[in-house]
Amino acid sequence: ETGVTQTPRHLVMGMTNKKSLKCEQHLGHNAMYWYKQSAKKPLELMFVYNFKEQTENNSVPSRFSPECPNSSHLFLHLHTLQPEDSALYLCASSQDLPRGLSYNSPLHFGNGTRLTVT
Amino acid sequence: AQSVTQPDIHITVSEGASLELRCNYSYGATPYLFWYVQSPGQGLQLLLKYFSGDTLVQGIKGFEAEFKRSQSSFNLRKPSVHWSDAAEYFCAVAMLDPGGSYIPTFGRGTSLIVHP
Repeated sequence: ETGVTQTPRHLVMGMTNKKSLKCEQHLGHNAMYWYKQSAKKPLELMFVYNFKEQTENNSVPSRFSPECPNSSHLFLHLHTLQPEDSALYLCASSQDLPRGLSYNSPLHFGNGTRLTVT
Repeated sequence: AQSVTQPDIHITVSEGASLELRCNYSYGATPYLFWYVQSPGQGLQLLLKYFSGDTLVQGIKGFEAEFKRSQSSFNLRKPSVHWSDAAEYFCAVAMLDPGGSYIPTFGRGTSLIVHP
């Protein structure tokens, strides 16, 4: 048990479908992240929520829409995806401090959702 | 630009042999440094981290890493590899971004293969 739970573990969807990925952390952290992991590529940071506010959006296409209703839950809403969006989507959390203060908390990852877009 | 480099895509070692995985970073100040391991079908698990102080840090599963400021390196080592160590290893660096937050940047990963 990692403390960060992602559901579903596997998802196959067509390009016209709408689906959502869910992440829940039980660690009392206040920052949550979505990463995309594709074969032979570095982990790509997609979104960061710090104290429930989105602080990072790394030029992610609008077909990916994050939602963070509280500090324990993070969603990634998917619609009209492309086959190249097939990847492992990893959620992570950390205990972050307000901006300007030192950061010293490593990330805790979930086991990911393996997404296949057909 | 800030970057993290893991020059070895694959490393193959025999069980019981020693291991060193390389990591170099490009950053103007001392960053926060991490090593993570990922087993198939799993998320990333923290092995160890360096923030300050002693430049040789100990982690879980018998791993250690040494921060060398002069070489901008943070190499991961283990004196005797076990078959269960076969996995993907990621070096990560948390650097201050323009927005004032420390966001981890990951290397491409090194795949460790262990021969019996």
